Amino acid sequence: DAKTTQPNSMESNEEEPVHLPCNHSTISGTDYIHWYRQLPSQGPEYVIHGLTSNVNNRMASLAIAEDRKSSTLILHRATLRDAAVYYCILRQYSGAGSYQLTFGKGTKLSVIP
Amino acid sequence: DAMVIQNPRYQVTQFGKPVTLSCSQTLNHNVMYWYQQKSSQAPKLLFHYYDKDFNNEADTPDNFQSRRPNTSFCFLDIRSPGLGDAAMYLCATSTPSRSGSYEQYFGPGTRLTVT
Repeated sequence: DAKTTQPNSMESNEEEPVHLPCNHSTISGTDYIHWYRQLPSQGPEYVIHGLTSNVNNRMASLAIAEDRKSSTLILHRATLRDAAVYYCILRQYSGAGSYQLTFGKGTKLSVIP
Repeated sequence: DAMVIQNPRYQVTQFGKPVTLSCSQTLNHNVMYWYQQKSSQAPKLLFHYYDKDFNNEADTPDNFQSRRPNTSFCFLDIRSPGLGDAAMYLCATSTPSRSGSYEQYFGPGTRLTVT
């Protein structure tokens, strides 16, 4: 399984940008980089994904290194509602038209008011 | 709103007593997944269905079974729950999208307690 490495925890002040790093040095050419987050007592929620180029959506931005061995999830202005565990995942094809997410330990983000 | 629904949200069962958890979806997605998430751990994939095709993870215990009678519903059966099976069970769905994201939509989970 392709592996990702993330810091166990990070803190941010409210309304400041947050950069969540992820290393995935064994990524293969067909692996998409996905980010999910899990708020307390809820199921995980899709945040963003990318392959090679940087990506933006309404929730966050994803910056992917040129060699694709690392990526950074950027929350532009952290709010208290962004406090969650953020998972960086390499999406892999699992056959029969479906894709598998192998969750790592993730980064627990705390937002300080 | 289209969604993934899990019932019940909390389930208590006795050691060794079979239990069934249910998941339904209004998204009409062709792939459905079951994950197990133990306290302070990451979700772990148990198995998934692509339409009616069942795909079991290699390390999923035989004690865990699943049924998918139609597109909308999927069940997780635990034949003889042990204390170690106490966990949050998450159902998720996905389908090919124009963006190629295959993002998974998760339900709120069922928290299983084994007494």
